[in-house]
Amino acid sequence: QMQLQESGPGLVKPSETLSLTCTVSGGSLNNYHWGWIRQPPGKGLEWIGNTHVSGTTYYNPSLKSRLTISLDMSKNQFSLKLTSVTAADTAVYYCGRRTVVAGGWFDSWGQGTLVTVSS
Amino acid sequence: DIQLTQSPSFLSASVGDRVTITCRASQGINTYLAWYQQKPGKAPRLLIYAASTLQSGVPSRFSGSGSGTEFTLTISSLQPEDFATYYCQQLYSYPLTFGGGTQVEI
Repeated sequence: QMQLQESGPGLVKPSETLSLTCTVSGGSLNNYHWGWIRQPPGKGLEWIGNTHVSGTTYYNPSLKSRLTISLDMSKNQFSLKLTSVTAADTAVYYCGRRTVVAGGWFDSWGQGTLVTVSS
Repeated sequence: DIQLTQSPSFLSASVGDRVTITCRASQGINTYLAWYQQKPGKAPRLLIYAASTLQSGVPSRFSGSGSGTEFTLTISSLQPEDFATYYCQQLYSYPLTFGGGTQVEI
């Protein structure tokens, strides 16, 4: 059973860079898309972006100018970097595994990590 | 972007009730729709994919239907553990989008 676990700072200052890592255990990064979803406190879910070992990466246009998602095959991890953060980026961030079939779904999720943007 | 509108936003029901949640897409998305259940403080859990396929391990009281622009999630006999918020997600085109959620209160 593949498991995903987010890690990273829980507090980031405004204008700085939010960096999170998702460690995948129990399987390889091959054969799936790997993505990030966030949820501001008390609100709904927002897809951030996903990437694949082929190099294909898609970002939410609302975040694209500030966003990088990348894979580290040697560590079986993928990461999220979001620059120039503001209070609006405060959210629980989830990493997820997405199947590669057409219209693929997120079938496995990390537990989530709360990131607060505050000075 | 494809907008997903869920209704109702809030639903109060009793144990044993049949519950239906609707998700409408702003344009056709074939059957590229998933449903998730989220309990407070927990990650979303996949219930249904490809509009009507039950994820392994999910109780058979959950079912999904629809194609194109209108989809439904049905819980045939509501159980106490079904108290949660339910989200639909379209996987037809980028950016992927979620519905606003339906909170189910027992």
